[in-house]
Amino acid sequence: SAVISQKPSRDICQRGTSLTIQCQVDSQVTMMFWYRQQPGQSLTLIATANQGSEATYESGFVIDKFPISRPNLTFSTLTVSNMSPEDSSIYLCSVEDTDPSAGLGYTFGSGTRLTVV
Amino acid sequence: GQQLNQSPQSMFIQEGEDVSMNCTSSSIFNTWLWYKQDPGEGPVLLIALYKAGELTSNGRLTAQFGITRKDSFLNISASIPSDVGIYFCAGQPPLGYTPLVFGKGTRLSVIA
Repeated sequence: SAVISQKPSRDICQRGTSLTIQCQVDSQVTMMFWYRQQPGQSLTLIATANQGSEATYESGFVIDKFPISRPNLTFSTLTVSNMSPEDSSIYLCSVEDTDPSAGLGYTFGSGTRLTVV
Repeated sequence: GQQLNQSPQSMFIQEGEDVSMNCTSSSIFNTWLWYKQDPGEGPVLLIALYKAGELTSNGRLTAQFGITRKDSFLNISASIPSDVGIYFCAGQPPLGYTPLVFGKGTRLSVIA
């Protein structure tokens, strides 16, 4: 299955600043997904990122707050802008595995644990 | 939107016991996936199910795709301490591409 390298793994940031999270995949993928996992909660999809087009955001998430880049088929970034303590969460990127030997599923990065102080 | 009801929310079991958790929905899904998340890590895929009625095993794990396509269960046999973590079910809705829907998770604690 795909291998995802996500960084940073964790960060502590001041409120009002921005953090950019990077995801690198070891194979070309059409879609990459960005999730937020608030403390003790399940995963909530932020947006779907296609290469060459604007990301598609889920209800409750906007581009100004979570701008996403997808410059090629193996890389994407998510920026958390103008952070507040409520943005403290784990942020995860994910891709769809289409390798028949691995089975169809979705692989996740190891996550970025963000704490805003 | 589509929702998955995952239960139980948490479990405390003795080492060696079997564990069962399930997910149900009022909507049908084309694929059911079961993930485990360890602290500080992203979810790791345990089992993927693609056909209604499918029963799949992965070591001590067994999962089934319900015949109605609206439910799935995960069983863990003879639990060990490293089974501790949060288990999530996730479903892939039909009707073209739509993102995964996740359950709220089952937090498993194993007492040695």
